[in-house]
Amino acid sequence: DIQMTQSPSFLSASVGDRVTITCRASQSISRYLTWYQQKPGKAPKVLIFGASSLQGGVPSRFRGGGSGTDFTLTISGLQPEDSATYYCQQSDTTPYTFGRGTKLEIK
Amino acid sequence: QVQLQESGPGLVRPSETLSLSCTVSGGSLSDSNYYWAWIRQPPGKGLEWIGNVYYTGSTYYNPSLKSRVTISMDTSTNQFSLRLSSVTAADTAVYYCARLFPTSGWYYFDSWGQGLQVTVSS
Repeated sequence: DIQMTQSPSFLSASVGDRVTITCRASQSISRYLTWYQQKPGKAPKVLIFGASSLQGGVPSRFRGGGSGTDFTLTISGLQPEDSATYYCQQSDTTPYTFGRGTKLEIK
Repeated sequence: QVQLQESGPGLVRPSETLSLSCTVSGGSLSDSNYYWAWIRQPPGKGLEWIGNVYYTGSTYYNPSLKSRVTISMDTSTNQFSLRLSSVTAADTAVYYCARLFPTSGWYYFDSWGQGLQVTVSS
């Protein structure tokens, strides 16, 4: 199985800040990488697919990048509603696997 | 706008079979553009893909669960189902059904149910 390693596991930032979450795959996955946002008690929601394509309806302050094994999710101009846990997921090879998540706290 | 809703028992006894259903509205299981999936999330942990079913009836399972999992679909009721046999406490999780969208070679879960808490306990 392809292992997805996210860092950091916890992040605290203020409204208006820019933060970056990283996701590293244990082998190359080209650009088969999706980012999700999950709020407590809710299902995950797609933010970015294909490593850098913004899902419809997602604010442009969310930006994805990378290819191969190293990927980033950058959130600019943090808003209070961005408080959530963020997961990466690879779809290069089954079984599809997820990172363990990054919990973002807005101070 | 497709909607998915999980249903089933919230409590299952150890060694028994967990059976859940997912009702799809606003979309069709017969749509060849999508797969239909189950994903679970143990308490305080990350997400685990369980498997998919396609409109043809073809199934794809996580090898870690393959010996215990069956996913099936009923296009007449627009429902698909999960059966997980010989459950233990490690199978306690929130179970989600989701739609898997393959586009340009990328596969991602673009719609999800609200999730159903299933506890394995005697």
